[in-house]
Amino acid sequence: KAGVTQTPRYLIKTRGQQVTLSCSPISGHRSVSWYQQTPGQGLQFLFEYFSETQRNKGNFPGRFSGRQFSNSRSEMNVSTLELGDSALYLCASSSGLAGNEQFFGPGTRLTVL
Amino acid sequence: KNQVEQSPQSLIILEGKNCTLQCNYTVSPFSNLRWYKQDTGRGPVSLTIMTFSENTKSNGRYTATLDADTKQSSLHITASQLSDSASYICVVTVYNNNDMRFGAGTRLTVKP
Repeated sequence: KAGVTQTPRYLIKTRGQQVTLSCSPISGHRSVSWYQQTPGQGLQFLFEYFSETQRNKGNFPGRFSGRQFSNSRSEMNVSTLELGDSALYLCASSSGLAGNEQFFGPGTRLTVL
Repeated sequence: KNQVEQSPQSLIILEGKNCTLQCNYTVSPFSNLRWYKQDTGRGPVSLTIMTFSENTKSNGRYTATLDADTKQSSLHITASQLSDSASYICVVTVYNNNDMRFGAGTRLTVKP
């Protein structure tokens, strides 16, 4: 099976802009979770989508949003970018059953200037 | 306070040496504990997963232990290689849902 893919891999934006990141989960997986990773902060949970519905949400401002399509692909959007949004954004897919392993994608490195 | 604490924050060892990374957690109720390896700029890759009843789990040169009573886990790396240089992240899953708690990771550097 192909792994989790994320596009783009690298992105440079300026403050105030908005950005959309894409994630294609492993075939057959219905759950997609998004994480932000910054140096020293570790992985911070953003949200999880399961069957096109947001199932869990982390403690991030409303500028961070997402959605999931019927084919389980997911997008994450960040509006009005701030310098502090510079991070590695990771997507993870799983079957969606409690406790099942998450498989991570390679991430999108976002730099906000 | 983070519910999953890892130590040390960073570690430098010589190639061929062994090392042990620690993970203490307060997550409750507990479902399972995973150790991930994350190379720089890449996504984490699962090394081991242990449930409440498992005390040890091996994956090649990686051996994880779990003491559910004291809520402690360790990851032992034997005969380290340069390719072991990475961040190692401890993740604890809350029982009966998909809620996961991540440690901040240990940054391991293996030098020749």
